[in-house]
Amino acid sequence: EVQLVESGGGLVQPGGSLRLSCAASGFTFRHYAMGWVRQAPGKGLEWVSVISASTGNTNYADSVKGRFTISRDNSKNTLYLQMSSLKAGDSALYYCAKAVVQGVISDWFDPWGQGTLVTVSS
Amino acid sequence: EIVLTQSPATLSLSPGERATLSCRASQSVGRYLAWYQQKPGQAPRLLIFEASTRATGIPARFSGSGSGTDFTLTISGLEPEDFAVYYCQQRSSWPWTFGQGTKVEIK
Repeated sequence: EVQLVESGGGLVQPGGSLRLSCAASGFTFRHYAMGWVRQAPGKGLEWVSVISASTGNTNYADSVKGRFTISRDNSKNTLYLQMSSLKAGDSALYYCAKAVVQGVISDWFDPWGQGTLVTVSS
Repeated sequence: EIVLTQSPATLSLSPGERATLSCRASQSVGRYLAWYQQKPGQAPRLLIFEASTRATGIPARFSGSGSGTDFTLTISGLEPEDFAVYYCQQRSSWPWTFGQGTKVEIK
């Protein structure tokens, strides 16, 4: 069974940094693209970033470009999101998600983890 | 950025009724459209991808149609567990975007 467990969320001051992690199990992690989606409380969904399985190709939403960095450690089956210069608008539940088809970055993503909450506030 | 507009915002129906949800794209996305279901306190779940293909384990009462800019999700005979929020998403071009969601609530 595929499992995605996010961690690393919390309360951080504006301008601060945070690193989210997503521990994956139940599938061959290095074969699948992975991504981060966020959802502000009571709001809709927003794609934040995606990373390819092994080539390191990445995409970022304009709202986070230059501030967030997605990465992965295929030896540890873990996906990361390094967030810096955080703003109040970054407050959200951050989900990690797995591509459905192995080997392609442009794909549908399912399943998703249960999310980790990031709150940016002074 | 491709904007997806879902309608209606809320759909009030009774169990057993048919639900028809709409998603309109600001420009053609071909068939690169998916539907997700989200229940309170849960992560979204993929229902339909490539406009009309059901994801693994999704009941046949869920069906999708459309191409280009106009898409529909139909739930033929609502079950109690189907009352939730439904989002469409396109992956025709980055940034991939979601619609604002349609809440299907019990009438």
